[in-house]
Amino acid sequence: DIQMTQSPSSLSASVGDRVTITCQASQDISNYLNWYQQKPGKAPKLLIYDASNLETGVPSRFSGSGSGTDFTFTISSLQPEDIATYYCQQYDNLPGTFGQGTKLEIK
Amino acid sequence: EVQLVQSGAEVKKPGESLKISCKGSGYSFTSYWIGWVRQMPGKGLEWMGIIYPGDSDTRYSPSFQGQVTISADKSISTAYLQWSSLKASDTAMYYCATIPTVTGWFDPWGQGTLVTVSS
Repeated sequence: DIQMTQSPSSLSASVGDRVTITCQASQDISNYLNWYQQKPGKAPKLLIYDASNLETGVPSRFSGSGSGTDFTFTISSLQPEDIATYYCQQYDNLPGTFGQGTKLEIK
Repeated sequence: EVQLVQSGAEVKKPGESLKISCKGSGYSFTSYWIGWVRQMPGKGLEWMGIIYPGDSDTRYSPSFQGQVTISADKSISTAYLQWSSLKASDTAMYYCATIPTVTGWFDPWGQGTLVTVSS
């Protein structure tokens, strides 16, 4: 299985801050990388697919970049409703492994 | 609107069997893969396996192969996840979601089914 390593595991930031989460794959996965948001008590929601494509309806303050083994997820200006846990997921190979998650809190 | 609706929460004893469901609507059920994801209490997401309802092609994560069975009944647009003998360690939230191809992104997701296994 491809291993996905996310960092940090938790993050505290202020409203309006720029927030960055990284995800590293154990081998080259091209751009086959997704980002999900999971709010407490809710199902995950797809935000970004193919490393950098914003899902329809997702605010433009969310963005993703990277290819190969190193990927970045960015919130340009943190909003209170962005409090959630964020996961990366590779889909270059089955099983489509997830990162361990990054819990984002408001400072 | 594409929607997946999962069956309700279950409380079972160790050793019992269980089958939970995921009903799709608003799209061609036989044209998209459906996947299952486990989330143990307070933990992250785990990819369990996927099925293509069109021909029942099924793929499992090695971690879940032999532990669960994924199936689908295309006549009623429903996918299933089942256990023949539950363990306490199967206590978790289970999500289904559609996937556009055999490898791809999960979108949308069902609301989740909480399975509690306790003596």
